[in-house]
Amino acid sequence: DAEITQSPRHKITETGRQVTLACHQTWNHNNMFWYRQDLGHGLRLIHYSYGVQDTNKGEVSDGYSVSRSNTEDLPLTLESAASSQTSVYFCASNGLAGEQETQYFGPGTRLLVL
Amino acid sequence: GIQVEQSPPDLILQEGANSTLRCNFSDSVNNLQWFHQNPWGQLINLFYIPSGTKQNGRLSATTVATERYSLLYISSSQTTDSGVYFCAPSPQETSGSRLTFGEGTQLTVNP
Repeated sequence: DAEITQSPRHKITETGRQVTLACHQTWNHNNMFWYRQDLGHGLRLIHYSYGVQDTNKGEVSDGYSVSRSNTEDLPLTLESAASSQTSVYFCASNGLAGEQETQYFGPGTRLLVL
Repeated sequence: GIQVEQSPPDLILQEGANSTLRCNFSDSVNNLQWFHQNPWGQLINLFYIPSGTKQNGRLSATTVATERYSLLYISSSQTTDSGVYFCAPSPQETSGSRLTFGEGTQLTVNP
């Protein structure tokens, strides 16, 4: 079955360190997204990609970067981790049009920045 | 950007009861999806519903795009329905399928 996986599932890091969160999907979807979810709130879009070599900033992109070198992966990098980036991070993907735009989510990564 | 308002913010039901969750949005949309986040944090897509009505078992959803709202109906609720329900539209002016999430409705179903 197709799926979307994230690693690590839990991460503790220190302020100022660079951190990379992995996202891998086997749906063969063109569109991939990164969101963050803070306690008691909805999801906010960080970055997204509509295909290989395409990346775009979302609503809360400061301090984050992504790269898309293949269809399956969209790693999220925190350049210099800050305590304000403590959150749960979700990766998602979907296809191009109509019902294929149904968005599927990974299990999430809990990040604690000390 | 598009504003998304979900109501009620919290809802407590007895098992077997029915409920209606509402999502109002401020702009024209080309895509709207409903999600359920279970108590373990997993996000499950319930419906892709830019317009019209769909049903899946005890759940159904209706989107009236011209009036900028969507409704999620849960019938004969079960304890496993507990969690947070999110509405997420994508504005018509944007390309692709960038979703904007509402703050959600926290549903608790008691046995």
